[in-house]
Amino acid sequence: GNSVTQMEGPVTLSEEAFLTINCTYTATGYPSLFWYVQYPGEGLQLLLKATKADDKGSNKGFEATYRKETTSFHLEKGSVQVSDSAVYFCALSETSYDKVIFGPGTSLSVIP
Amino acid sequence: DAGVIQSPRHEVTEMGQEVTLRCKPISGHNSLFWYRQTMMRGLELLIYFNNNVPIDDSGMPEDRFSAKMPNASFSTLKIQPSEPRDSAVYFCASSLTTDTQYFGPGTRLTVL
Repeated sequence: GNSVTQMEGPVTLSEEAFLTINCTYTATGYPSLFWYVQYPGEGLQLLLKATKADDKGSNKGFEATYRKETTSFHLEKGSVQVSDSAVYFCALSETSYDKVIFGPGTSLSVIP
Repeated sequence: DAGVIQSPRHEVTEMGQEVTLRCKPISGHNSLFWYRQTMMRGLELLIYFNNNVPIDDSGMPEDRFSAKMPNASFSTLKIQPSEPRDSAVYFCASSLTTDTQYFGPGTRLTVL
């Protein structure tokens, strides 16, 4: 079945450091891929998405590229801020009417 | 739009009591999801509805859990009887398709 694997956290970085959170997936077809972010005490919210191979999703300085050949969708940011401290979830959806499969989440703490 | 609305935001109850969680999805959305989040198990999909019809309830832990969606603007998740291991944050999410889900703020349930 479909699944999503993320690097285990927690990840702790200093402000302005480079961020990479690895995500790989298993799917039978051509899924849409997502990154969601959960700030403390809140629900998840969509950060970015990509719907086909080689697409790059971007938002708030974060980027991720849909790599079909490596079945990956790694999240990157060039310079993190304290306000980026949150839990990040990689996810996939096989079709428009299928459920979204979430990864286990990666906790990020950014220290000043 | 007010976003997904959940009530109550916090619920403390004693073991054996009935608990009802409520959700109002975003107007116009046709899919609704109930999730449970704990430190141990992460984010789990309990059930989802499309056009008010339950599509997949394989994540419902046992018969003590039930969910209904009597109309497009309201859903409930009921636990009867509740147990301490049900303590978690319960999220409701809605979407127009399953492409992007919009999460509510969650209900923090504590069963003593």
